[in-house]
Order: sequence, then structure tokens, then C-alpha cells
Amino acid sequence: DGGITQSPKYLFRKEGQNVTLSCEQNLNHDAMYWYRQDPGQGLRLIYYSQIVNDFQKGDIAEGYSVSREKKESFPLTVTSAQKNPTAFYLCASSIVLEGGEQYFGPGTRLTVT
Amino acid sequence: QKEVEQNSGPLSVPEGAIASLNCTYSDRGSQSFFWYRQYSGKSPELIMSIYSNGDKEDGRFTAQLNKASQYVSLLIRDSQPSDSATYLCAGVSGGSNYKLTFGKGTLLTVNP
Repeated sequence: DGGITQSPKYLFRKEGQNVTLSCEQNLNHDAMYWYRQDPGQGLRLIYYSQIVNDFQKGDIAEGYSVSREKKESFPLTVTSAQKNPTAFYLCASSIVLEGGEQYFGPGTRLTVT
Repeated sequence: QKEVEQNSGPLSVPEGAIASLNCTYSDRGSQSFFWYRQYSGKSPELIMSIYSNGDKEDGRFTAQLNKASQYVSLLIRDSQPSDSATYLCAGVSGGSNYKLTFGKGTLLTVNP
């Protein structure tokens, strides 16, 4: 089955720790994205990547880092510099040249205390 | 700042009625629009895409795009309790064919 997987579904961390969220897709999509969703805020773009070894900052990149070493994988690290890391994190992918339709993974709910 | 705004809701309709969800956008260069459905605690699911002026129908769903008025809507006919969810409108930013700007969503409740 083709799709996007994110792990883990729930993640708990202590303040001051870095944490890496996994995102893998087997749709053969070129572009991948990370969004953050907070209650009442809608989706906000953190980072996006069009091709391997290339990525760009979105609207709220501060305190986050990414890598794109393989087409299938786009992990997100939430660093200790992110002031309010508790949120629902969503990974998405799309075929870059066709219409912009983005498909989402199931999400990771991160709680930092 | 390019924006997508949705009617604030929440919207409540009886089962079997038509639910109308609306969205306006500020970027005149936006060419493509999408409606996502998001159940509580779940990730967004793409339900409709629309790229040209007019209506696009898919089953009980109809998306409408009016580029002159910068307005997008989603109609859900014969609403069912299973349609109860938050609906997100998104547009592709002008100059890009992949970067989406999302509205904050409208919560729809369909009452049996």
C-alpha cells in the first residue's frame, strides 16, 4: 500500500531535550513538507523540500531542523530552542509538478513538559 | 501576507440538509484550491481539488471557484452525521505550484 507513515503517534519529552520525528513516504513524491497544528491556529508550514539534499524554511522554522538524504524520508528535529514545542506535527508530500495536491501522514502528537 | 480566510463557524446543520462552507483568499495569483476534511484527533484528508472557475462535483460534494471574487466554496448535499468534522480550505501560493496556504478551518456538525 502506498502512503505516508509518521512515527511515533504520541511522543513525550522533557523540556530542553531535542526530539526527532520520523516521516517516510512510498508514493514516489518529490516534495515533502512539515506542518504544525495548534488548536484554533490552522496549519503552519515549518519546512519543505522539493528534492533530495535541498530544503527551504517555511513560515515558522525557528527552533526546528530537517534533512532530506533520501527521497522517501524527511525527518524533523524539534530542538530545545523551540519555545512552544507541544503541538500536532503533520508531514505531507506531493508530486511537485502536478497541481499541488498534498497528502498527509497520520501525524505525531508531541508533548513537552 | 497571503491569506486564506474561512467563515468562522461552527456550522450546525440537520441530517439531510445542504452544508455550505466558504473561503476567501487574498492572493490573486493563486490558481489551485483544495478542501480537506479533518476529523477530531486525525490528520487532514484531501476531498476536493479545483483549478478553474465554476463548479466541480464529486458525489455529494461540490466545489465552486470564482477567481474574480477570490472566493471558494464547498457544498455538501444530503449531509450525514459522518460528515461532522473540521473542513480546511487551502490555496497554492502564487508563483509556486506546491506551497499551500491554509485557512483555520470551519467546524461542521451534522445533527441526526
